[in-house]
Amino acid sequence: QKEVEQNSGPLSVPEGAIASLNCTYSDRGSQSFFWYRQYSGKSPELIMSIYSNGDKEDGRFTAQLNKASQYVSLLIRDSQPSDSATYLCAVERGGSNYKLTFGKGTLLTVNP
Amino acid sequence: NAGVMQNPRHLVRRRGQEARLRCSPMKGHSHVYWYRQLPEEGLKFMVYLQKENIIDESGMPKERFSAEFPKEGPSILRIQQVVRGDSAAYFCASSPPQGQGPYEQYFGPGTRLTVT
Repeated sequence: QKEVEQNSGPLSVPEGAIASLNCTYSDRGSQSFFWYRQYSGKSPELIMSIYSNGDKEDGRFTAQLNKASQYVSLLIRDSQPSDSATYLCAVERGGSNYKLTFGKGTLLTVNP
Repeated sequence: NAGVMQNPRHLVRRRGQEARLRCSPMKGHSHVYWYRQLPEEGLKFMVYLQKENIIDESGMPKERFSAEFPKEGPSILRIQQVVRGDSAAYFCASSPPQGQGPYEQYFGPGTRLTVT
């Protein structure tokens, strides 16, 4: 089993819709989880961090964490064409407090 | 600009030459991380440094690669005798000292290394 798995996509949604991005991880000791956005040819940009089970909302973004199921998700409400990018799920390796393992990313396309 | 800075942004080297990549962390940050992103692959952790200390280099190739973060100046990732397989985007990230805010890593713009 891969350490961090994401659907590679592409995930295509119409403008204004909700985009749902999913991520599963294998290390039960992981405590910190992050979502990064990466535009083509650019560097990863941190958009959400989550440390506790449940939901965390920030503007149009909601991160959801379920440690029992080893599952993290990111919802983007009112999707905009500018949200079109690759979304990377990053999971801290249990006990390290710093070493991040990244999924390969999900390519999101928001169609006007 | 108080963000993470990296230079050069693009670097072309012939096989066998040395590549030096520089990273200045975000203001107030003292932890530096280097990652490599190969085409069509995910970001891979390489090394974690604090000032004058290599904390974890478990992701570094055993040969030709080294990293430092001196007391003064930027962190440097050094690749000796580059080969074509070293062509990739190299990203530096930084985070604040432990206990000073949430643990989050912020990335610089990256250095795109091309080996010809």
